[in-house]
Amino acid sequence: DAGVTQSPTHLIKTRGQQVTLRCSPKSGHDTVSWYQQALGQGPQFIFQYYEEEERQRGNFPDRFSGHQFPNYSSELNVNALLLGDSALYLCASRQRTGALTNSYEQYFGPGTRLTVT
Amino acid sequence: AQSVAQPEDQVNVAEGNPLTVKCTYSVSGNPYLFWYVQYPNRGLQFLLKYITGDNLVKGSYGFEAEFNKSQTSFHLKKPSALVSDSALYFCAVRDAGGSTLGRLYFGRGTQLTVWP
Repeated sequence: DAGVTQSPTHLIKTRGQQVTLRCSPKSGHDTVSWYQQALGQGPQFIFQYYEEEERQRGNFPDRFSGHQFPNYSSELNVNALLLGDSALYLCASRQRTGALTNSYEQYFGPGTRLTVT
Repeated sequence: AQSVAQPEDQVNVAEGNPLTVKCTYSVSGNPYLFWYVQYPNRGLQFLLKYITGDNLVKGSYGFEAEFNKSQTSFHLKKPSALVSDSALYFCAVRDAGGSTLGRLYFGRGTQLTVWP
C-alpha cells in the first residue's frame, strides 16, 4: 500500500520564477492538504483540496494556488517566487468521504525541499 | 484561535532514561491532539492522537502521551529512551468543533537527542 508520494524531492529556483509541486495521496484517500515548513519552524497550513475544490485556506497570498485532479492527486503552484518561499513543502492526505467521525489522522509525504536563490 | 506551544526547543536524555516532551495548547472547543515525529530529510510520521476517552494515550514505538484538560497540556512520554528516538517532535491540534476539514496547527517542534 503506497503512502503519500511527492515530487520532486528537491528543487532550486530563482526569484520571480514559478514552481509546481506534485502530490499523490495515500491509497483510499480523497482529501489533500499542503503545508509549508520553513527552517526551524513547524508546518504551516496552506490549503486543502477535496472534490477538486479548495475547501480551506491558511494565511498565504494568492501567489500560492493549487489544483486537485479526478484521481485525487494534487499540485501546488507558487508564482513570483521570493527568497522567503524557501522551505520544505509537505503534502498530507486523509479519507473524508464516508468518514463517520473526526477521529482520523493525516498521513504526510516526505516533502519537497524548495530553495529560492 | 487555535495554537500549540512547545516550550523546549531541545530535550537531551540518556539512553534508558525516561523522556518527556512538553506541549500545551489553546483551542476554542474540544481539542483533537496529535504527536508527529520527523527524521532528517523526511516527512512527518504519525505517533499518536487524543480524541476522547482515556487521558493516557499509547502510540507507536513505545511512546505515550497524557492529556490534561485543566492544564491544557498533552505531553509526550516514553519510559525508556533509545538512541534511535533522536528526532524532531511536533505537537499539533485540530479543532473538533464540528468541522471535518482537518486543518492542523503545529508547534515549533522539539529536538530530542538521546545519547548512548
